[in-house]
Amino acid sequence: AQRVTQPEKLLSVFKGAPVELKCNYSYSGSPELFWYVQYSRQRLQLLLRHISRESIKGFTADLNKGETSFHLKKPFAQEEDSAMYYCALRGNTDKLIFGTGTRLQVFP
Amino acid sequence: GAGVSQSPSNKVTEKGKDVELRCDPISGHTALYWYRQSLGQGLEFLIYFQGNSAPDKSGLPSDRFSAERTGGSVSTLTIQRTQQEDSAVYLCASSTGTGGYYEQYFGPGTRLTVT
Repeated sequence: AQRVTQPEKLLSVFKGAPVELKCNYSYSGSPELFWYVQYSRQRLQLLLRHISRESIKGFTADLNKGETSFHLKKPFAQEEDSAMYYCALRGNTDKLIFGTGTRLQVFP
Repeated sequence: GAGVSQSPSNKVTEKGKDVELRCDPISGHTALYWYRQSLGQGLEFLIYFQGNSAPDKSGLPSDRFSAERTGGSVSTLTIQRTQQEDSAVYLCASSTGTGGYYEQYFGPGTRLTVT
């Protein structure tokens, strides 16, 4: 089965605190994983993808095949990071399989 | 340049009526995807087009749902005999190709409310 699990619906932190948004996946092949973000009143957009091994807006995510995880991390959260974050897995026909999302609230 | 556009942005319809949702992908994008976002659910895949053909329709929830794409561009998602559980935000995305390297660009969505 192809599935993405984001266990936290809401994560609240204060500005400057570290952030980790959890994502676990189930996939029989070699996974391709993504994080998408949706800021208030904006459209869904790609934040980062594991194949690029990039850091975007201070966020990083490492694929851990042993734990089947792709957690999103940022050492120091900013207020502008407040948004809805979706972890996604590319399925075997290019469709994206999304988790249910985690709302990140960063308080000043 | 212009991004993915969708129309209408909001649609309220009565149960049992048919609705058509439109997606205009980014010019030159060959792949087009439809997703649905329901309250309390994540984003669910509905259907995927490569050019005018649909290699993957596995996400369409029932035979009341259909989609077509003409000229390798505009796509229409049709829901017949709408039900209240069809209420959701319908998102369209397009990409220049297939595979994980190609980013999917999302439209603003159509919010469908079935009363």
